[in-house]
Amino acid sequence: DVKVTQSSRYLVKRTGEKVFLECVQDMDHENMFWYRQDPGLGLRLIYFSYDVKMKEKGDIPEGYSVSREKKERFSLILESASTNQTSMYLCASSPGQGFQPQHFGDGTRLSIL
Amino acid sequence: SQQGEEDPQALSIQEGENATMNCSYKTSINNLQWYRQNSGRGLVHLILIRSNEREKHSGRLRVTLDTSKKSSSLLITASRAADTASYCCATVYGNKLVFGAGTILRVKS
Repeated sequence: DVKVTQSSRYLVKRTGEKVFLECVQDMDHENMFWYRQDPGLGLRLIYFSYDVKMKEKGDIPEGYSVSREKKERFSLILESASTNQTSMYLCASSPGQGFQPQHFGDGTRLSIL
Repeated sequence: SQQGEEDPQALSIQEGENATMNCSYKTSINNLQWYRQNSGRGLVHLILIRSNEREKHSGRLRVTLDTSKKSSSLLITASRAADTASYCCATVYGNKLVFGAGTILRVKS
């Protein structure tokens, strides 16, 4: 069965820290995505990647960066965490072209104190 | 602004009743997707309906698409307590899949 695994379900960090969120998929999907989800809002796209070492900014990239050194792994980095980055972070992957359905991990609930 | 918006924002029904959720979008689409999200979990894809399709079924789920009205509906028949979740639609906007905020469905047993 398709599997997207996020490294932590819950994470608490302090303002100013550099935070790494890891995501691994076992489906050999080309596309990977990072979203954040806040109450009352739809998912907002932070960054996405259509291939290894390739990245594109989504709608809210400020304060974030990403890394995709291997096809199966897509990392989200909060360069200097701030309290307004407290949120649920969801990773997803999908195959090839044509906006195929995305497969999601269970999310990381990140709190920045 | 969001490409897809669901209506109603919340819905509470009794077990066994049908639940209907609607999604409206703004631009022409290639396909429209419905997802489900249980509390504290990731999204799970339910159905994809293409722009040249009008209706699609999957088990107790029925999705319709009206491209002239730029709207879609998701019907869950004979609902169960386990159907309690948030349901959202997703459409393509530019080069991205854009998700609506969702309808929160509560099925009371």
